Amino acid sequence: AAGVIQSPRHLIKEKRETATLKCYPIPRHDTVYWYQQGPGQDPQFLISFYEKMQSDKGSIPDRFSAQQFSDYHSELNMSSLELGDSALYFCASSLEGQKPYEQYFGPGTRLTVT
Amino acid sequence: AQTVTQSQPEMSVQEAETVTLSCTYDTSENNYYLFWYKQPPSRQMILVIRQEAYKQQNATENRFSVNFQKAAKSFSLKISDSQLGDTAMYFCAFMKGGMYSGGGADGLTFGKGTHLIIQP
Repeated sequence: AAGVIQSPRHLIKEKRETATLKCYPIPRHDTVYWYQQGPGQDPQFLISFYEKMQSDKGSIPDRFSAQQFSDYHSELNMSSLELGDSALYFCASSLEGQKPYEQYFGPGTRLTVT
Repeated sequence: AQTVTQSQPEMSVQEAETVTLSCTYDTSENNYYLFWYKQPPSRQMILVIRQEAYKQQNATENRFSVNFQKAAKSFSLKISDSQLGDTAMYFCAFMKGGMYSGGGADGLTFGKGTHLIIQP
């Protein structure tokens, strides 16, 4: 079965640079979520989108922005990168009308800021 | 806001034994979902089992079952006949929403995780 696709899988950036992470949800899924998992930490919810509209917002820094496009893929834009942004970034997807809203995670993008 | 607490940072059992991972949560919501996710060394997040708060019956998935105590706000995971491949971090997670309400796009709140090691 098709899964959530994230690209790139690994990314190395320097401080103050920008980064863009991409997420392609499971076919027919209309909802996308972004999570950040620091080393040895639990995943922290950043933001979610349903039908291209922001749905829920968590602990997303103001330096980060995200959007969902007409084909339901999503991009997380990160600017003025800091060392503390080094983490594993997960995208998850779900189908809004399919209770109980199981979220299926992608493999993650490992971002290293040097 | 809701919180999820996993009080066991690490557990170790022998292969084929049964192990129970604990999770408690705090919320003012009446409708919500609870999940257990597994994160093996590959770091992939894998859904193990889910429980709808409006259901009294405990969820089961093959060797995995939960003990859901809504009044006590407790949601433990039992793994029977443990296998080497069960070695992983296990995260308990909470999400708002219910059978007749929204919440489909709400983020998950995770506990700190329990590192489960299955010894041969």
